[in-house]
Amino acid sequence: GESVGLHLPTLSVQEGDNSIINCAYSNSASDYFIWYKQESGKGPQFIIDIRSNMDKRQGQRVTVLLNKTVKHLSLQIAATQPGDSAVYFCAEKSYNTDKLIFGTGTRLQVFP
Amino acid sequence: ETGVTQTPRHLVMGMTNKKSLKCEQHLGHNAMYWYKQSAKKPLELMFVYNFKEQTENNSVPSRFSPECPNSSHLFLHLHTLQPEDSALYLCASSQVRRGPINNEQFFGPGTRLTVL
Repeated sequence: GESVGLHLPTLSVQEGDNSIINCAYSNSASDYFIWYKQESGKGPQFIIDIRSNMDKRQGQRVTVLLNKTVKHLSLQIAATQPGDSAVYFCAEKSYNTDKLIFGTGTRLQVFP
Repeated sequence: ETGVTQTPRHLVMGMTNKKSLKCEQHLGHNAMYWYKQSAKKPLELMFVYNFKEQTENNSVPSRFSPECPNSSHLFLHLHTLQPEDSALYLCASSQVRRGPINNEQFFGPGTRLTVL
C-alpha cells in the first residue's frame, strides 16, 4: 500500500553543522512532496516543496533533493541553529487527489 | 501565525460527553482538512472538504462528525469517544486548483484532546 517513512527517528547535530533528514516513499504515482517542521505545541509548518519534474530545490538555508529512481527524498539544513530543533515530516501526494500522506517524522536536536 | 486558528487548544472530556472542535481559516482557501496526530504515528487524514463538499472520509468512526458550513469554517463534533481517541487534532487548509498544480496545506496549532 501507499506509505511514507523516515529512516531515522532522531537526529542530533551540533550547532553550525549541516543536517540531512531522509525520507522514503513507496507510491511511484506521487508527484508532489513537502517538508514540514513541527515545533512543540504547534501545528506543522511548511518548509519547502518540490514537484516530481525537479531533482533539487533550494530555499533559505534548506535544500530538498528528490531521487525518483529510488523513491527517496531528503531535506538538507545548512548551518543548523537551535531554532531548527523540531520534528520534521515529509509528505507526498498525487496531483489527482487532495490527500497528503505523511511520514512518521524525524526529531532534530541541535546542541551547542 | 499560519492564518488557521483552532479552538479550544486543550479539551478534556468524558466518554459520554458531546463536544465540538472549531477551525477557522483566514486565507481565502477553498479546502479544509481534519487530521489526527497520535504519539509515534504518522499524521492521519480524517476528512477533506473541498468547496464545502466532503471529498474524503478516511474510514473514520461515526463518533467523529465533521461539519463545514462555509469555506472558512470547519467543525469536528465529538460524541461517545474512547480513551484511544486522545490525540492532537489538527486542522489545515489549502487552495485547491484543478489540474497538476499542487499547493501546500497550512496547519492550525491543533486541539489537544484527552478522553477520560
